[in-house]
Amino acid sequence: KQEVTQIPAALSVPEGENLVLNCSFTDSAIYNLQWFRQDPGKGLTSLLLIQSSQREQTSGRLNASLDKSSGRSTLYIAASQPGDSATYLCAVRNLNAGGTSYGKLTFGQGTILTVHP
Amino acid sequence: DVKVTQSSRYLVKRTGEKVFLECVQDMDHENMFWYRQDPGLGLRLIYFSYDVKMKEKGDIPEGYSVSREKKERFSLILESASTNQTSMYLCASSLMGAGRLEQYFGPGTRLTVT
Repeated sequence: KQEVTQIPAALSVPEGENLVLNCSFTDSAIYNLQWFRQDPGKGLTSLLLIQSSQREQTSGRLNASLDKSSGRSTLYIAASQPGDSATYLCAVRNLNAGGTSYGKLTFGQGTILTVHP
Repeated sequence: DVKVTQSSRYLVKRTGEKVFLECVQDMDHENMFWYRQDPGLGLRLIYFSYDVKMKEKGDIPEGYSVSREKKERFSLILESASTNQTSMYLCASSLMGAGRLEQYFGPGTRLTVT
């Protein structure tokens, strides 16, 4: 059974710092990996999606990497801002036996990020 | 833009009541999902559906059922609500088959059972 772990559970940084959030998964037979952001009391917003054949994806100040063989992904946030404060969730989408996917996600428990002005 | 809507943002029900949570998506997605989110436990999959009238159990289906009569609508049913079903419920949808299969989430329903 796939298990996803995110480290650290919480992170507090001053504005302007670069930071890295970590995600690890136990079963490397994944279809892709998705990073989400969740603001308090709200739904999830997709940030980046990395297909299993890719090594990284970038969007603005965000960069996500994937090392499937070692079961790891990182989310790098450059020049952090107070508006980046949220919970960041990593989720993996597993492969079916036939190489496709139903699209079910297994989530980590998230990293709570606080960026101080 | 993909839009996933949920019928209520906040809901308060009494123990033993039958509860319906509705989810609608407007992008003709085949797959739809119901999750619950609890502090310390993260998001857990309750049920999912990959076609009209089709459903599959997720990791924690006990105490829940689902209905998908139309492609755009996926309902989660609590047959007899209990206090341990107090939680945030999140609906999501995605395409099926190949491609990115990116999952899009609704705003969530905060259910309190008293």
